Amino acid sequence: AQSVTQPDIHITVSEGASLELRCNYSYGATPYLFWYVQSPGQGLQLLLKYFSGDTLVQGIKGFEAEFKRSQSSFNLRKPSVHWSDAAEYFCAALGGKLIFGQGTELSVKP
Amino acid sequence: DVKVTQSSRYLVKRTGEKVFLECVQDMDHENMFWYRQDPGLGLRLIYFSYDVKMKEKGDIPEGYSVSREKKERFSLILESASTNQTSMYLCASSPRDTYEQYFGPGTRLTVT
Repeated sequence: AQSVTQPDIHITVSEGASLELRCNYSYGATPYLFWYVQSPGQGLQLLLKYFSGDTLVQGIKGFEAEFKRSQSSFNLRKPSVHWSDAAEYFCAALGGKLIFGQGTELSVKP
Repeated sequence: DVKVTQSSRYLVKRTGEKVFLECVQDMDHENMFWYRQDPGLGLRLIYFSYDVKMKEKGDIPEGYSVSREKKERFSLILESASTNQTSMYLCASSPRDTYEQYFGPGTRLTVT
């Protein structure tokens, strides 16, 4: 069955530190891949997407993600985290319909 | 900017009540979606619609129905609310030929 897995339920990083959120997918072929962010009490906002081509994609708010076919992964990264990045992050894959991972909650320490 | 609005941010209903959740988008999108979001489960698709008066079941349609009489409006209906339908409900829309979904702010429904 098609699935998206985010292995980390909760991550805490210090402000200014680097960040990597993990995402793995299980599909028959390479799906379209997305990262969304949800701030408290808000809907989801698209950070970035991968359809094809360059495997390193840039998004909004200084985020980037790298698609690795061999590892079936699409990890989200940011070189320096800001306190305002505290939110829940969802990886999603589209192969017919959009399937979401379970989400990773990010906390940022001062 | 694309705007997706949902009729209520918070809603409290009693078991057995009929509940309507409304979603309106202002960008003439063909596709509209209803999800529920629960801790540890991410978002799960309830129903979606590709056009007016068309609807398709998602992964968890049981206990829900939908209505799309106008292109901009997509309603989720709980015929007889139950406590296990307490959740956050998110509406989304997208243009026909793209895959980027735009989300509303969500309705947190509590059924007591």
